[in-house]
Order: sequence, then structure tokens, then C-alpha cells
Amino acid sequence: DQQVKQNSPSLSVQEGRISILNCDYTNSMFDYFLWYKKYPAEGPTFLISISSIKDKNEDGRFTVFLNKSAKHLSLHIVPSQPGDSAVYFCAASARFGTSGSRLTFGEGTQLTVNP
Amino acid sequence: SQTIHQWPATLVQPVGSPLSLECTVEGTSNPNLYWYRQAAGRGLQLLFYSVGIGQISSEVPQNLSASRPQDRQFILSSKKLLLSDSGFYLCAWSLSGTASYEQYFGPGTRLTVT
Repeated sequence: DQQVKQNSPSLSVQEGRISILNCDYTNSMFDYFLWYKKYPAEGPTFLISISSIKDKNEDGRFTVFLNKSAKHLSLHIVPSQPGDSAVYFCAASARFGTSGSRLTFGEGTQLTVNP
Repeated sequence: SQTIHQWPATLVQPVGSPLSLECTVEGTSNPNLYWYRQAAGRGLQLLFYSVGIGQISSEVPQNLSASRPQDRQFILSSKKLLLSDSGFYLCAWSLSGTASYEQYFGPGTRLTVT
């Protein structure tokens, strides 16, 4: 059961334009959502997150939108830069007791920003 | 600041051989620790997580095991590797308790089982 889905395995955009990466989830117990960026042969790096009590969070060129009723979130990058080319993972979090939380990842979207 | 180390960076092992991957975290105490695997062209699959020394939770039945002998050390092991164990293994840490949801990843180990 794939609880977090990124239906687009790849996305190609021109430098300076907007990149929109999408993610859908099925588990209504998820209460926090994160985006990670990954370069080949490296570990993912945390990019931006959003709590389920919000519908938007912005950090510089990156904005994450959450639509709880649709169980959908998206990451907007504007303007896109060639250095943004990487695999982007969506992750959703559910708490386990009071000890912490576990993340469920989507399968990733390869973003290519063309100069 | 906190740092996370993994080694080795790459490993080629024959089928049936043992495995030991190590992960250590610096700059924090009592972190939650995680092992993930990324198979080729796939997402990140959580294998194990630990909330303290000697406390290991397994997410999927498999040929692997994990141990946490010290507060900031997490080890992934196998007695006999299978071809299907090939992949990119990632260790991650997070703050314990309800302080934070974010997990921070190490550089990963590329394992090829031949």
C-alpha cells in the first residue's frame, strides 16, 4: 500500500520558470509533510516542511502548499535554476507515541532545469 | 552542529557473505536513528528505527538486522547477503521526543551484491 505517491517520475522546466512538484497521500493520520532534495550518490537533504494545520509555507524560492481535503501537497520552485536539478522526495510523518515520528516517502520526481 | 557519518561509501560483496554498515552521529544526544534503503529507481524504504540503546524496531521482514550498541551508533548487518540486498543504504537521525519531525540523512552506502 503506497501511502505517499508522486505520480510524475520526471519533470523538465526552463531556467527562470516555475517548477511544480506534486504529491498525494492516503493516510489521514499524517500530520506533517516534508520535501527532500537528493543528488545522485548522496543522502537526501531537508528542504521545506509544513504542518497539517497550515496550508502554505514559504522559504525563499520554495513554497509548499497543502490541501488537506484533497490529501494533496505541492512544492513550487520559482524561479527555477539549473542547480535545482535533482530528485525531489515528498514525505509524510505520523507520530509513534511520544518518542518521535516516522516518515513515509514517495518514490521521487526527477527535476531537470534546462539553461 | 550535528553531523552524521556512514561508512563505507561503496561496497561490493558476493552473495552469501556477511555485511556490516556503520553509522555514527555527532553533536546530539539520544537521537532517534533510522536505516533506509533505496533500490534502483525507487523511493526510500524504512528498514529499522531506534529510539534508544538496544531498542530496535523492524519495519519489514528481511535478511537484515540492526543494532544500537551505543547512543550515537547504529549498525546494519546481515549474516548472508542476497542479490536483492543490493541498493543504496541511508542512515538518518532525528531529535527524540516530540521536538521535531525532520530527519537528517548521512551520505549513504552503495552496496552491490554480486
